[in-house]
Parts: sequence; structure tokens; C-alpha cells
Amino acid sequence: QKEVEQDPGPLSVPEGAIVSLNCTYSNSAFQYFMWYRQYSRKGPELLMYTYSSGNKEDGRFTAQVDKSSKYISLFIRDSQPSDSATYLCAMRRNSGNTPLVFGKGTRLSVIA
Amino acid sequence: GAVVSQHPSRVICKSGTSVKIECRSLDFQATTMFWYRQFPKQSLMLMATSNEGSKATYEQGVEKDKFLINHASLTLSTLTVTSAHPEDSSFYICSARGPGTGDEQFFGPGTRLTVL
Repeated sequence: QKEVEQDPGPLSVPEGAIVSLNCTYSNSAFQYFMWYRQYSRKGPELLMYTYSSGNKEDGRFTAQVDKSSKYISLFIRDSQPSDSATYLCAMRRNSGNTPLVFGKGTRLSVIA
Repeated sequence: GAVVSQHPSRVICKSGTSVKIECRSLDFQATTMFWYRQFPKQSLMLMATSNEGSKATYEQGVEKDKFLINHASLTLSTLTVTSAHPEDSSFYICSARGPGTGDEQFFGPGTRLTVL
């Protein structure tokens, strides 16, 4: 079993839909959880950063972490065509220089 | 703030040649830089971690003699792919962190390497 599992999609939704992206993980030592957005042939851009369990909201984006289930989610409300990208979850055990472990990424297309 | 650049953005080379990729932190001091490789439709895989002024720490399975990393200053790290072969064709991405970035890594735009 890989440390981080993420459905690669592709996921196609109509503009305005609520998008739900998820990752599961096996290592209970992970404490820091991130979501990155990556446009084609570009580097990842940090969207959300969460420590331990709980919810975090930033504009149209909400990140949820459920450590008891080893499950994290990213919700995108009122999705826009400009949200079309690959979304990568990432996590690590400790702060700072501890390596990030990435999911495969889910490719999202928002259709106008 | 926290901008990371990479150069070149794209490189095509012949098999057997060496290629150098630069990663620069433009507005902060990068005490640590990370090098990742991403194959098509795959996730980012960490290759190595480098701290300024120290030797890089390579992940299991990454040949340190083939992928030479130098982090000689607080704003520049280089990755040299020596004697490149077609299987080395990939998207190479660096990230950096330092005192000015809090706890986070900021990623460069990536370099697409194609070895013919």
C-alpha cells in the first residue's frame, strides 16, 4: 500500500458545481497536510495548509482533515473553469525539513 | 514574496550529455532546497534534500553520482544530470524554504528535460 492514495481522475464537473477531492494515507505519524494546485507544465502552488485534524476555509476552498480515518478532503465551491488543474495532496510528519509525501494528483476539469 | 525560479524551463539534449538545472530563491534565503522529479501523470517524487553548505541527502534509489546537487549559496541550488539517457526525461521541480517562508516550501515552475 502506498503511503498516500489519491484517485487520479480525471474529474469533470460543470461550472458552479461543488468539487470534492480526497486522499487517504496509511502513516499515522503525518501531522501536516497540504493541498497544491498544479497547472499543466508548471510547478505546484500551495492552496491550503492544515495542521492535525479539523477544517480550514479560505474563500471558495475548504480543507478537512480526519486523522482518525486517515482521510483528507478539499472542497471547492462555485467551481470555475480557471480551477481546471491537477490537485495534489501532500503531507509530512514534522515541520520544516521533513520531506513531503505527495499523492498522485487528481486532474480536474471545470466545464463552462 | 517567496518566489522560486528555475532555469531553463525546457531543455532538449542528446543522450550522454550532461545538463545543469538552476533553482533560485528570488526574495528569501533558502536554507533548504528540495529536488523532485515528476513523470507524466505521476506524483512528485523527492530526489534529494540539500542544506546550504552541506552535502545533499539523496532518497533511496536516486544515484548521487548521476544527479549532482550543489547548494553553495543561500539563493542558488543546481542539479546536474550527468550522462543523461532517455529514461531521465522528466519534469524536474525544485522547492525551497528558509527563515522567511515560515514552515512551508515554495516550488519553482519546473524544468522539462527531454533526452533524445
